Amino acid sequence: GESVGLHLPTLSVQEGDNSIINCAYSNSASDYFIWYKQESGKGPQFIIDIRSNMDKRQGQRVTVLLNKTVKHLSLQIAATQPGDSAVYFCAENTGYSTLTFGKGTMLLVSP
Amino acid sequence: GAVVSQHPSWVICKSGTSVKIECRSLDFQATTMFWYRQFPKQSLMLMATSNEGSKATYEQGVEKDKFLINHASLTLSTLTVTSAHPEDSSFYICSARSGQINQPQHFGDGTRLSIL
Repeated sequence: GESVGLHLPTLSVQEGDNSIINCAYSNSASDYFIWYKQESGKGPQFIIDIRSNMDKRQGQRVTVLLNKTVKHLSLQIAATQPGDSAVYFCAENTGYSTLTFGKGTMLLVSP
Repeated sequence: GAVVSQHPSWVICKSGTSVKIECRSLDFQATTMFWYRQFPKQSLMLMATSNEGSKATYEQGVEKDKFLINHASLTLSTLTVTSAHPEDSSFYICSARSGQINQPQHFGDGTRLSIL
């Protein structure tokens, strides 16, 4: 079946750097995408979402970019902080109400 | 806003017992709730989707008689793992969503289930 995947399993950055987490999706019918942050032992926390009629959306310190031509999604975190250390998942919604999660990328932020 | 509470957060029990996990939406009405299972260092795997007042829809390979789901109100869904065995040990996470599709799911903090 179609699935969402990630290029980088682990990303290590220094505090203050900008981080970019990438996600490739294969279902061209997906019309809604979400990024979640999951800290150890906790449930996923909503970060930002984007609909397929947009190619960029900004939040507080985060930006999501969507490139439908190459089926690519990215999460940019500005001025990364140690508290940003977590596993980040992208998820896609094909319109049938369920989410398909990617494999996750662990972000490690060093002080 | 959009707080989902899951209880218990951690449970250890003997093989053969049944365990009930509750998922509550505290500040919104959840027309749809979802139950996921997550193994260490892996992604979330959807087990079932439940709509208030309806029978749950289970994903392929998930035994509905093993994992009983009840969504009796717009703020509460329960997952009961019946006759649990060690292979059922996992991290179970619920999520809830209000209204239409293309709205984010909001997650509880999960239940760590350990079967001895």
